[in-house]
Amino acid sequence: AQKITQTQPGMFVQEKEAVTLDCTYDTSDQSYGLFWYKQPSSGEMIFLIYQGSYDEQNATEGRYSLNFQKARKSANLVISASQLGDSAMYFCAMREYTGGFKTIFGAGTRLFVKA
Amino acid sequence: DSGVTQTPKHLITATGQRVTLRCSPRSGDLSVYWYQQSLDQGLQFLIQYYNGEERAKGNILERFSAQQFPDLHSELNLSSLELGDSALYFCASSVEANYGYTFGSGTRLTVV
Repeated sequence: AQKITQTQPGMFVQEKEAVTLDCTYDTSDQSYGLFWYKQPSSGEMIFLIYQGSYDEQNATEGRYSLNFQKARKSANLVISASQLGDSAMYFCAMREYTGGFKTIFGAGTRLFVKA
Repeated sequence: DSGVTQTPKHLITATGQRVTLRCSPRSGDLSVYWYQQSLDQGLQFLIQYYNGEERAKGNILERFSAQQFPDLHSELNLSSLELGDSALYFCASSVEANYGYTFGSGTRLTVV
């Protein structure tokens, strides 16, 4: 069965510094997708970045990059130049195809950006 | 506005009752996904529909059912409600597998 593990319940980072949020996953499939989502205190879920299991290069989207280490089954999110607005809950997720697309989410990491 | 519309935003109902949550996906998206978010269980995948057909099922209780209509909107029906069903219910849609989901703003269900 799929499993997503986010071991950091909470993280603090100083404004303008970079921060890495950890994510490890477990799957026996060769083809899968990895995602990161942000959930601010307002509650909406915002898609940040995607990495396919066959993608050789790490995904980047603006200040977000995904450090994909396939052999270690890790997909860490790196946020560069943190901003106060980055304070939120961050979820790592993995999608498998099982006749339909099933995406499971990790427990999340709460990020606090300090001024 | 994400383009995914969920109604109602808030719902308070009594145990044993039945409610229907509605979702309109983003224009052009054929897939609809339902998730339940609670403090103790996190985000749980319930069910996926693609163009009217059920495609994937997660931890959906037998008291819960869903469908997707020809106009692609979807409804999640929750019956014989229990206190533990209190949660935020999200609908999401997507156009392709390689894209992230677009989530609606959720329906906050409180069972009293």
